[in-house]
Amino acid sequence: KNQVEQSPQSLIILEGKNCTLQCNYTVSPFSNLRWYKQDTGRGPVSLTIMTFSENTKSNGRYTATLDADTKQSSLHITASQLSDSASYICVVSANYGGSQGNLIFGKGTKLSVKP
Amino acid sequence: DGGITQSPKYLFRKEGQNVTLSCEQNLNHDAMYWYRQDPGQGLRLIYYSQIVNDFQKGDIAEGYSVSREKKESFPLTVTSAQKNPTAFYLCASSILDARTGELFFGEGSRLTVL
Repeated sequence: KNQVEQSPQSLIILEGKNCTLQCNYTVSPFSNLRWYKQDTGRGPVSLTIMTFSENTKSNGRYTATLDADTKQSSLHITASQLSDSASYICVVSANYGGSQGNLIFGKGTKLSVKP
Repeated sequence: DGGITQSPKYLFRKEGQNVTLSCEQNLNHDAMYWYRQDPGQGLRLIYYSQIVNDFQKGDIAEGYSVSREKKESFPLTVTSAQKNPTAFYLCASSILDARTGELFFGEGSRLTVL
């Protein structure tokens, strides 16, 4: 069964600290892996999209890694800011289902950055 | 600015009523989607459309209906047949091939059944 598991469910860190969020997946055949940031009550916004051949991708203070062999991804946030408080959603695209694809969403990690 | 506009942001419905959520995009994307988000759950696909006048059921289509009369518009109707409609609804769009194309989301509509 295609699944995306994220950990931890929630995380509280102090402003300025770094943190790492995890995503494990059992999706086949794999197309790509995406990380989204979702502020409370708003729509998700894309942070990164990584294909099979990409190991690392950065977007400002956000760095995503992908290990396609172990089917694991992480999202590292550097020097956290209060505005980083949000849910972070890992989404894996399966390479079937026609051009619509099949997007499998994780339940998200809720990050709270405290002053 | 290009983007996806959902309305209304908040909606209250009495049991037994149908309600329609609006979704408009000016990104010139062919594909549009409706997702439902519940607390502690991943997003679940309700319906999607890859071309005007055509749409397909997603994983949880029961109690919902859609139309795609224009490329820019993909409204979702939550019917009285939907047993538990209270949720956060998200509309999204992408280039035709969602396997590789980025998914752009609207700001969401929160529906509450009284």
